[in-house]
Amino acid sequence: AQSVTQLDSQVPVFEEAPVELRCNYSSSVSVYLFWYVQYPNQGLQLLLKYLSGSTLVKGINGFEAEFNKSQTSFHLRKPSVHISDTAEYFCAVFSSGGSYIPTFGRGTSLIVHP
Amino acid sequence: ETGVTQTPRHLVMGMTNKKSLKCEQHLGHNAMYWYKQSAKKPLELMFVYNFKEQTENNSVPSRFSPECPNSSHLFLHLHTLQPEDSALYLCASSQDRGLAGGEQYFGPGTRLTVT
Repeated sequence: AQSVTQLDSQVPVFEEAPVELRCNYSSSVSVYLFWYVQYPNQGLQLLLKYLSGSTLVKGINGFEAEFNKSQTSFHLRKPSVHISDTAEYFCAVFSSGGSYIPTFGRGTSLIVHP
Repeated sequence: ETGVTQTPRHLVMGMTNKKSLKCEQHLGHNAMYWYKQSAKKPLELMFVYNFKEQTENNSVPSRFSPECPNSSHLFLHLHTLQPEDSALYLCASSQDRGLAGGEQYFGPGTRLTVT
């Protein structure tokens, strides 16, 4: 079985400050990890993904995430946020050898203040 | 049209009504999904279709009936819904159900309100 825990339901931050959104997962087999973003009144959009190779992955809009197998984490970071980054962020885990269905976390609401 | 489209964007229906949600993907994908998104709850997978065949039904009540006439179109037929069915219904597609299944492309959703 696979599961995802997003440790913070809400993260307030000021514009141009750095931010980290935390994600921990559990799975008994090899995993593939994703971060999605949902802007108000829209569907989810893929931000970045880890399939294999380098543990530091870069995505759209200046976001990056680091896969840490020993800590079973896949935290999302951005060095300087903008007002437009205000959105809901979802971490998802996807295991090989299973049903090939991703499991999504509950989401973290990033609120960027001017 | 590009990506994944959903119609209608908003729907208000009574508990005795029958309505349908439509999803269309223009990406040439083979797998399509219905999700339910309720406030403060994780995204709930409802149905999965791969090459028009239903491969997952996540214990969804029979008042929700999916239909996938081809790999580009997906419908969700609704009848005798309950107020707790009010939510955002998201459609998604992926290249296939294998390793590419984790990379999903979502539509904007249909906001459903059951009165």
